[in-house]
Amino acid sequence: DAKTTQPPSMDCAEGRAANLPCNHSTISGNEYVYWYRQIHSQGPQYIIHGLKNNETNEMASLIITEDRKSSTLILPHATLRDTAVYYCIVDYEIGTSYGKLTFGQGTILTVHP
Amino acid sequence: DADVTQTPRNRITKTGKRIMLECSQTKGHDRMYWYRQDPGLGLRLIYYSFDVKDINKGEISDGYSVSRQAQAKFSLSLESAIPNQTALYFCATSDSRADTQYFGPGTRLTVL
Repeated sequence: DAKTTQPPSMDCAEGRAANLPCNHSTISGNEYVYWYRQIHSQGPQYIIHGLKNNETNEMASLIITEDRKSSTLILPHATLRDTAVYYCIVDYEIGTSYGKLTFGQGTILTVHP
Repeated sequence: DADVTQTPRNRITKTGKRIMLECSQTKGHDRMYWYRQDPGLGLRLIYYSFDVKDINKGEISDGYSVSRQAQAKFSLSLESAIPNQTALYFCATSDSRADTQYFGPGTRLTVL
């Protein structure tokens, strides 16, 4: 059973911010939100994760709503190389549990010139 | 990620053949995983291993077996390949103290 809901596809202009939404209304208090992406049949790549505070790293920002029922991944200046399938995953902290990731169908982000 | 390698990268085989896919990592991670991906779908976990003596079934383990020969090596076997095992197979690793998984480049397997 999917724990997350994402739009199947989104478009973004190169150089603009890409905002990818994810709904996870049944998230429990000790579950994290992870984002991975997969570029054309390559191995998935970790982007960012968070519990309840907003997070930022060199790749992206993660905004989690106060009730934690949804989140948004922000790529601040999208490039053509950011075209990929983006997966939002809800799971326990990997270091303390199964560590398996349940991938849904993700959002296909297409960045246009 | 070059720290996680998979061999072969592509394989075409026939129904009934035994196939082994190999995964090696130089990251020093204790946890390793095998996933499969079918066209248009997300990844599904086949087996995972938290250390050399620990092997666990994932959600779709039927028809597969694994061997953790060393901390750095985790092999996936298809005892008798069938066409619906045609898929893209990924190996991944993680450190029990960290929060991310690192994936190999994948093996594209076709069973005729």
